[in-house]
Amino acid sequence: QPQLRESGPGLVKPSETLSLTCTVSGSVSTSNYYWGWIRQPPGKGLEWIGSIYYSGSTYYNPSLKSRVTISVDTSKDQFSLKLTSVTAADTAVYYCARLGGVYGSANSWGQGTPVTVSS
Amino acid sequence: EIVLTQSPGTLSLSPGERATLSCRASQSVSSSYLAWYQQKPGQAPRLLIYGASNRATGVPDRFSGSGSGTDFTLTISRLEPEDFAVYYCHHYGSSPGSFGQGTKLEI
Repeated sequence: QPQLRESGPGLVKPSETLSLTCTVSGSVSTSNYYWGWIRQPPGKGLEWIGSIYYSGSTYYNPSLKSRVTISVDTSKDQFSLKLTSVTAADTAVYYCARLGGVYGSANSWGQGTPVTVSS
Repeated sequence: EIVLTQSPGTLSLSPGERATLSCRASQSVSSSYLAWYQQKPGQAPRLLIYGASNRATGVPDRFSGSGSGTDFTLTISRLEPEDFAVYYCHHYGSSPGSFGQGTKLEI
């Protein structure tokens, strides 16, 4: 199982852009797996944000699609999340994960990184 | 969007007992795309079951999944102390996928 590690700012101001990177030990250029972002607001359940294949094909949650961009850098074995125009509702623990399909199942997870949206 | 409803919200049992957790979908889903996760406080979720009944790598055989259509079940045959956690079901067959709200399994 690969190891995944999220990195990025833990505090973002309202209306600004949340940017996170996931570094994978091993290669992101593996067939049959997608790489995704999932978030969990404090005390709440899980929400799939979006996924990417190593070729660059992306899939986004329709509820977030207008604000989300996921990209991959195969040379660094990293993939990244950008979420624009954030509000307090975007405060959550953000996980990166390896997915067995476009929308799941997530068989390897990062430890999660908390992001707070506040001025 | 398919809504997954888990029951009960909280399940209180003792080590050694059998646990049965339910996940009901708002419409029929393919069992090929139904997963269960375990989450402990401060940790990322851990995949237990995928494709409704397939155990993920390293998952003890006391965990089993079953079901089809709109009704799915996660069974833990004999609870160990480390099994007390929150469990989520997850449908991942279509966009955007959906998670249940979770069942807390407490001692």
